[in-house]
Amino acid sequence: EAAVTQSPRNKVAVTGGKVTLSCNQTNNHNNMYWYRQDTGHGLRLIHYSYGAGSTEKGDIPDGYKASRPSQENFSLILELATPSQTSVYFCASGTDNNQAPLFGEGTRLSVL
Amino acid sequence: GEQVEQRPPHLSVREGDSAVITCTYTDPNSYYFFWYKQEPGASLQLLMKVFSSTEINEGQGFTVLLNKKDKRLSLNLTAAHPGDSAAYFCAVNYGSSGNKLIFGIGTLLSVKP
Repeated sequence: EAAVTQSPRNKVAVTGGKVTLSCNQTNNHNNMYWYRQDTGHGLRLIHYSYGAGSTEKGDIPDGYKASRPSQENFSLILELATPSQTSVYFCASGTDNNQAPLFGEGTRLSVL
Repeated sequence: GEQVEQRPPHLSVREGDSAVITCTYTDPNSYYFFWYKQEPGASLQLLMKVFSSTEINEGQGFTVLLNKKDKRLSLNLTAAHPGDSAAYFCAVNYGSSGNKLIFGIGTLLSVKP
């Protein structure tokens, strides 16, 4: 069964600390995405990837880095976390442009 | 770039009533559209995928209408029930390769018995 798994599901971080959010997909999808969800904004694209070794900036990449070491794994890295990055983060995977991305369960991040 | 406006942000209806959620977009080259449903604390589940070649798409208990001339997409729940209570998001493809999505802000639907 197609799946996108995120870890951790909940994270509390301190301002200035480093946070890594992980995403694993078993769907053999080329494309992977990181979104954040905030009330009043819907989902906004942070970074995405077309395959292992590639990362691309989305619409709101500032303060975030991404890493795609393999087809299955895509990480989102906050080098210096700030309270404004408190949000729910969703990872998704997909194939070409006529397929709906499949979403993970989300990670709730609080930066204090 | 592509912009998507979704209305209304909140919608409360009685069981059995219809509910309509609308999204307008700006890029006439957009050709794939999606509706997702999100229950509280859960992930996004695909409700329907719409291609620009089809103006009316029907699902279980709902209809999606696409008006390409007005660049408007609507989700119509014909007889809402409490299990439909959730957040609904439209999403529109954009970008040169077309495999990025821009989402509406969402509509929180509440269906009261």
